[in-house]
Amino acid sequence: DIQLTQSPSSLSASVGDRVTITCQASQDISNRLNWFQHKPGKAPKLLIYDVSHLETGVPSRFSGSGSGTDFTFTISSLQTEDFATYYCQQYDFLPYTFGQGTKLEIK
Amino acid sequence: QEQVVESGGGLVKPGGSLRLSCAASGFTFTAYYMGWIRQAPGKGLEWLSYISSSGNTIYYADSVKGRFTISRDNTENSLYLHMNSLRAEDTAVYYCARVSRGTDYWGQGTLVTVSS
Repeated sequence: DIQLTQSPSSLSASVGDRVTITCQASQDISNRLNWFQHKPGKAPKLLIYDVSHLETGVPSRFSGSGSGTDFTFTISSLQTEDFATYYCQQYDFLPYTFGQGTKLEIK
Repeated sequence: QEQVVESGGGLVKPGGSLRLSCAASGFTFTAYYMGWIRQAPGKGLEWLSYISSSGNTIYYADSVKGRFTISRDNTENSLYLHMNSLRAEDTAVYYCARVSRGTDYWGQGTLVTVSS
């Protein structure tokens, strides 16, 4: 299985801050990378697919970049509703494995 | 509107069995692989199993191989996970997901608690 190393595991930030999360794959995943937002008691929500494409309805403060094995997820200006856990997921090879998650908390 | 809804979770004793169900709607169920993913308390997301649209291709994570069985009923737009020989470490929220662009639609999950 492909391993995804996501960092940091937790992050404390304030409303209005810019935050960045990284995800490194154990092999080239042909830019088949998703980013999810997960809040307690809710279904994980797909925010970004194919590294950098925003899912319909997702605000433009969310963005993704990278290629090959190294990827980045950025929130340009944190809003209150953005405090959640974020996961990367590769979908080049089944099973579509996840990073360990980044818990974004209010400072 | 694509939707998947899990049910069947609950409290079960170690060694017991449980069957989870997932009802799909708003998309052509027969066109998609489907999968089960879980999240144990304080842990991340773990792939458990997936099944092809026809049911001919199935995968299990090592952690559940030989104990869990995935199946689907394409006439009922439903996905199932039969769980046997449950252990305390199987305690988790179990999610059903459509396998497309990774896993693009998920349910809200059903909680399974394994405890005596």
